[in-house]
Amino acid sequence: DIQMTQSPSLLSASVGDRVTLSCKASQNIYKYLNWYQQKLGEAPKLLIYYTNSLQTGIPSRFSGSGSGTDYTLTISSLQPEDVATYFCQQYNSWLTFGSGTKLEIK
Amino acid sequence: QIQLVQSGPELKKPGESVKISCKASGYTFTDYAMHWVKQAPGKGLKWMGWINTYTGKPTYADDFKGRFVFSLEASASTANLQISNLKNEDTATYFCARYYYDGYYHVRYFDFWGPGTMVTVSS
Repeated sequence: DIQMTQSPSLLSASVGDRVTLSCKASQNIYKYLNWYQQKLGEAPKLLIYYTNSLQTGIPSRFSGSGSGTDYTLTISSLQPEDVATYFCQQYNSWLTFGSGTKLEIK
Repeated sequence: QIQLVQSGPELKKPGESVKISCKASGYTFTDYAMHWVKQAPGKGLKWMGWINTYTGKPTYADDFKGRFVFSLEASASTANLQISNLKNEDTATYFCARYYYDGYYHVRYFDFWGPGTMVTVSS
């Protein structure tokens, strides 16, 4: 099974900051990587698919990058409404979610 | 508009069974697979498996083989998750999610989610 490790588990940043979240796979997942945002009490929402494609309706401050085993979600200018937990998910072999990064406003 | 509507919260005792439903609307039900995802309180997301909505064939992740059954009521555009012999560790929110697939562009993702069904197992 492919394991997905996200870091940090908790991130505190200020409004307007550039924020980077990391997701590392236990083996090469060939860019088969999605990112989801989950706000408290809600279902997850797709942000980025296939490593760097922005889902329709998602603000352009969100972007994704990476290859091989290392992937990144970047928020270029943190907004208050971005407070949430972010999960990466690989689909190279079966499906696996990362453990999540909880993002807070400082 | 596309919607996945799930059944309401459940309170069960250990050893009992529960059936959760997920009714889809706004698209052709049999065009997309339906997946199930577990989220224990305060924890992350765990993929449980999926059901082919065209053939009815279920596929289970390793940790969900045995007590978990995915089924369909295709005429009602509904997918079901049944859990038997409930244990305390089954306490969680269970999400259904539609799976978008485009093999040509290597794209697959969960594009629509149900709101989740909370199952509490307690004696």
